[in-house]
Amino acid sequence: KAGVTQTPRYLIKTRGQQVTLSCSPISGHRSVSWYQQTPGQGLQFLFEYFSETQRNKGNFPGRFSGRQFSNSRSEMNVSTLELGDSALYLCASSLARGGMLETQYFGPGTRLLVL
Amino acid sequence: AQSVAQPEDQVNVAEGNPLTVKCTYSVSGNPYLFWYVQYPNRGLQFLLKYITGDNLVKGSYGFEAEFNKSQTSFHLKKPSALVSDSALYFCAVRGPNNAGNMLTFGGGTRLMVKP
Repeated sequence: KAGVTQTPRYLIKTRGQQVTLSCSPISGHRSVSWYQQTPGQGLQFLFEYFSETQRNKGNFPGRFSGRQFSNSRSEMNVSTLELGDSALYLCASSLARGGMLETQYFGPGTRLLVL
Repeated sequence: AQSVAQPEDQVNVAEGNPLTVKCTYSVSGNPYLFWYVQYPNRGLQFLLKYITGDNLVKGSYGFEAEFNKSQTSFHLKKPSALVSDSALYFCAVRGPNNAGNMLTFGGGTRLMVKP
């Protein structure tokens, strides 16, 4: 079974631009979560989507948004990019059968560089 | 709020020796604990998790972890380290009161196994 895939793998943008990242979960997985990884702040939770609804949200500004489609694929969008948004963005999926205690499996990430 | 601490930024061990990567946590109620490993330019790979039951949890690649409720710790261990175990290790906790799959990660510990 294919793992979590993320596109693109690398991205370079300039300040003020916006960016959209894509995540395809493992087949059959219904929950998709996004995390930001930076050297200074480590791994931080952005948001989680389940059945096309945002179920949980981390402490990030409104410039960070996401959505989930009916096939469970998810996108996240960052508007008005800032230098500090440079990071590895990781997507994780889980079955979410009962919403409890399930393992999240991570994709390889999208490395975003903002110049 | 829940939190995870990994007190060592780096752990050095000789190949063939036992290794321990430390993790302590703070969460209301019973914790759900996870270990992930990250290799360069890769996403996070799931190693093992503790939900309930035996305090010693066995996982992938010969790793195991010991849950200690009184010390609020969940240390990762392996009896005999391999050079290929060199990577970045993350401990994470999911609190029981979360409505979704949000994980809170520690800062990570870099494991260096020398031949």
